[in-house]
This record gives sequence, structure tokens and C-alpha cells, in this order.
Amino acid sequence: KAGVTQTPRYLIKTRGQQVTLSCSPISGHRSVSWYQQTPGQGLQFLFEYFSETQRNKGNFPGRFSGRQFSNSRSEMNVSTLELGDSALYLCASSFVFRSSEGGYTFGSGTRLTVV
Amino acid sequence: KQEVTQIPAALSVPEGENLVLNCSFTDSAIYNLQWFRQDPGKGLTSLLLIQSSQREQTSGRLNASLDKSSGRSTLYIAASQPGDSATYLCAVHRGNYGGSQGNLIFGKGTKLSVKP
Repeated sequence: KAGVTQTPRYLIKTRGQQVTLSCSPISGHRSVSWYQQTPGQGLQFLFEYFSETQRNKGNFPGRFSGRQFSNSRSEMNVSTLELGDSALYLCASSFVFRSSEGGYTFGSGTRLTVV
Repeated sequence: KQEVTQIPAALSVPEGENLVLNCSFTDSAIYNLQWFRQDPGKGLTSLLLIQSSQREQTSGRLNASLDKSSGRSTLYIAASQPGDSATYLCAVHRGNYGGSQGNLIFGKGTKLSVKP
């Protein structure tokens, strides 16, 4: 059974550019969550989607956005990149939104470097 | 607001030792608790998932316990090996609370180093 797939694995972007990251959840999983991980802040919640609807959103500026498609694949977008956006971005999928009896499964992450 | 704390932040032990990693949380109204392992620069690998109605879960050399009333969980690693060196993260699932913290709340992790 395929795991959570995140693409690309690595990205280098210039300040002011925008970037789109992709996440394909485990087949049958309908909930996708995104996290930002930095050495200083640890794992910070970005947003969570279920059935194409954003259910929760973390305390990030509006430059961070996301969406989920009908096949449960999700994308997140960061516009007007800043140096502080350099981080490991992790995606996690779970079977359902309110009853995660199976827990969360994470992808390998996308390492974003802003120069 | 749910807060998750992991102690110690770092731990170095010789190979073969048994060790305990601690996780505490402030709100006992959790749905489940999950332990993850993270190797440098990599994603999170789920180790054990304990439902709120359970007291412990075991997988190989790993045993995790949960005491909801006291807001504590421990991860016990038996006969540690150099390959166990990684960061171990504890996360609590708050059920349907959601909000700006999301449903899964993480601690900062314990960085484990097992010396040969």
C-alpha cells in the first residue's frame, strides 16, 4: 500500500517568488493536514482539509493557502516568499476527520529553501 | 489550549541500555496519542498509536503507556541500538476540537543518541 507522497522533495526559491507543494494521501484517506517544521519552532499546524473543505487553519499569514481536490490530493501555496519560510513542509493523511482511529501517516516532506 | 511537553529534550546513552522518554499534556480530553520517530531531514514515522481507552501498546522493543488522568505518556525502549538514534515526537489528538492548533498537537521532541 503506497504511503503519503509529497512532491517535490527539495525546492530552492528566491524571495518574492511563489511556490506550490503537492501531497497525495494514502488511498482511501480523505483528510490531509499540513505542517511547517523549523528548528526553532518545531512542528506548526498550517491547515487541515477533509472532503475538499478546509476544516482548520493555523496562525499563518494569508500568503499561505491550500486546497484539496476531489481525489483527496492536496496542494499548498506560499506566495511572496520570505527567508523565514525556509522549512520542512510535512503533509499527513488520516482516514477521517473527526475519528482518527488509525492515526496520522506522514509523508517524507518537502524541504523549501528561500534565498 | 492543549500543550504537550517532552522531557528530556536530548538524551545520550550507551548501546544496550533500556530508556524511557516522557510526554505530558495539559488537557486530558484527548482522542488518542501517537509516538513518532524522525530521522534528520526526513518525515515522521509512526511508532505506536494508543487510543484514549487503552493503557499501553507494544511493538517489538517499544512499549508506550498512557495515563489520561495524569496527562502523561511514556515510551520505553528496550535494549537500545545505535539505529534507534533519532528524534522521538509525541502527539495528542484532540478529537474534533480543531481550531488554530489543529487536531494533532506535537511536543518539541526528544533527540536520542545511542552510542556504540
